[in-house]
Amino acid sequence: EDQVTQSPEALRLQEGESSSLNCSYTVSGLRGLFWYRQDPGKGPEFLFTLYSAGEEKEKERLKATLTKKESFLHITAPKPEDSATYLCAVQVLSGGSNYKLTFGKGTLLTVNP
Amino acid sequence: DGGITQSPKYLFRKEGQNVTLSCEQNLNHDAMYWYRQDPGQGLRLIYYSQIVNDFQKGDIAEGYSVSREKKESFPLTVTSAQKNPTAFYLCASSIEGLLFSGANVLTFGAGSRLTVL
Repeated sequence: EDQVTQSPEALRLQEGESSSLNCSYTVSGLRGLFWYRQDPGKGPEFLFTLYSAGEEKEKERLKATLTKKESFLHITAPKPEDSATYLCAVQVLSGGSNYKLTFGKGTLLTVNP
Repeated sequence: DGGITQSPKYLFRKEGQNVTLSCEQNLNHDAMYWYRQDPGQGLRLIYYSQIVNDFQKGDIAEGYSVSREKKESFPLTVTSAQKNPTAFYLCASSIEGLLFSGANVLTFGAGSRLTVL
């Protein structure tokens, strides 16, 4: 069974304190790995898609990386507005030409001023 | 601005009642999806539709029904057969069918929170 595990479940940082969120997966036939940001009471917003090991993408204070077993979302010098739940999702081949998208449970990030 | 509109944002239901959640998109996306989000769990797929007048069950379709009569609209009905309907429901869309093609990005609505009294 395909599994996506995000850690830690919750992370509290001080403003400016850099850290990383982890998304590990045990799947076969990875097509893509997605990172989304979700604010309380709202729908997720797309951040990044990574397709192959070694790939990196950046957006402002966020940088996503991908290996064969996991992805990291690095947050550099975070600000309070970076506080949100960060979701990871993997897309895999699921029978014939079909694909399946599996979401992790998310990491709740709180950045204190 | 293009996007997905879900309504109502909050909905209360008595046991035994059916309720319908609305989802409208003006992105001209072919595919639409309904997800359920519960505390401590990942998003779970309820139903999805690649084209008008066609839809397929997701992982947790029991107790739910959908229709896709127009490209822009994909309403979800939570029936009385759904034993634990209290949850946050998210509608999403993608340019083409995520499950049948390459890695397409999902655009989500703001969600509807359903509470059973």
